[in-house]
Amino acid sequence: EAAVTQSPRNKVAVTGGKVTLSCNQTNNHNNMYWYRQDTGHGLRLIHYSYGAGSTEKGDIPDGYKASRPSQENFSLILELATPSQTSVYFCASGDGTGGAAETLYFGSGTRLTVL
Amino acid sequence: KTQVEQSPQSLVVRQGENCVLQCNYSVTPDNHLRWFKQDTGKGLVSLTVLVHENDKTSNGRYSATLDKDAKHSTLHITATLLDDTATYICVVGANTNTGKLTFGDGTVLTVKP
Repeated sequence: EAAVTQSPRNKVAVTGGKVTLSCNQTNNHNNMYWYRQDTGHGLRLIHYSYGAGSTEKGDIPDGYKASRPSQENFSLILELATPSQTSVYFCASGDGTGGAAETLYFGSGTRLTVL
Repeated sequence: KTQVEQSPQSLVVRQGENCVLQCNYSVTPDNHLRWFKQDTGKGLVSLTVLVHENDKTSNGRYSATLDKDAKHSTLHITATLLDDTATYICVVGANTNTGKLTFGDGTVLTVKP
C-alpha cells in the first residue's frame, strides 16, 4: 500500500522562527511535491523534486526552501516564518511516469500556524 | 482569475440520491484532468483521470466526463453513501510535467441520512 507520511501533523511557530516540515514516502517514487492549501486558492505547488539531491521551484517558492536528501525524504523549510505562511501543507509522491499516467499519493497534511 | 472553477461550492444530498459536480477551466494546454476526493483533515485520493476529448471514465459509483472543446468536466456520484461526504477537487494538468497542476477549490459534498 502506497504511503506518504508527514510530520508533524500540527505545528505552531513564532514569526521569524525556523520551521521544518518533513515528508517520508515508502513508495520508491522519484517525484515528490510540496503544496499548500488555503481557502479560495486550491492547492498551490511550492517545490518539487525528481529524485534524491534535486529540488525545483514550483509556482509559489518565495519564503520556502526544500531538501531531498534521499529517495524517501523531502523536507520543506521556512527559514523565517511569517503569519502569511499559516496554512495546511501537503506532501505528495508520484511514480514519475509523467502526465496523466502518473499516480499521485498525498500525505494527510501538516497544519502550520505562525503567530 | 481562477483558472479552475468548480460548482456548486457546496451541496447537500440525502443518502441514496445522485449528484453531479461541475468543473470549468481555462488552463491551456489541458493535457489531462483529474478528480480527487478529500476527506476532512486528510490528503487527496485520486478518483479518476480523463485525457482525451469527450473522455468518459467510471470507477464504481463515480463516473466522469470531459469536454475539451468546452473545457468542462462533470463528476457524477450515483446512490450516494454517508462516506461520500467530502470535498471533491478538480485538477487540470497543463502538460506532461505532473508538477504543473492547477487545482480547483473543491465542492463540499455533505450526504445526510
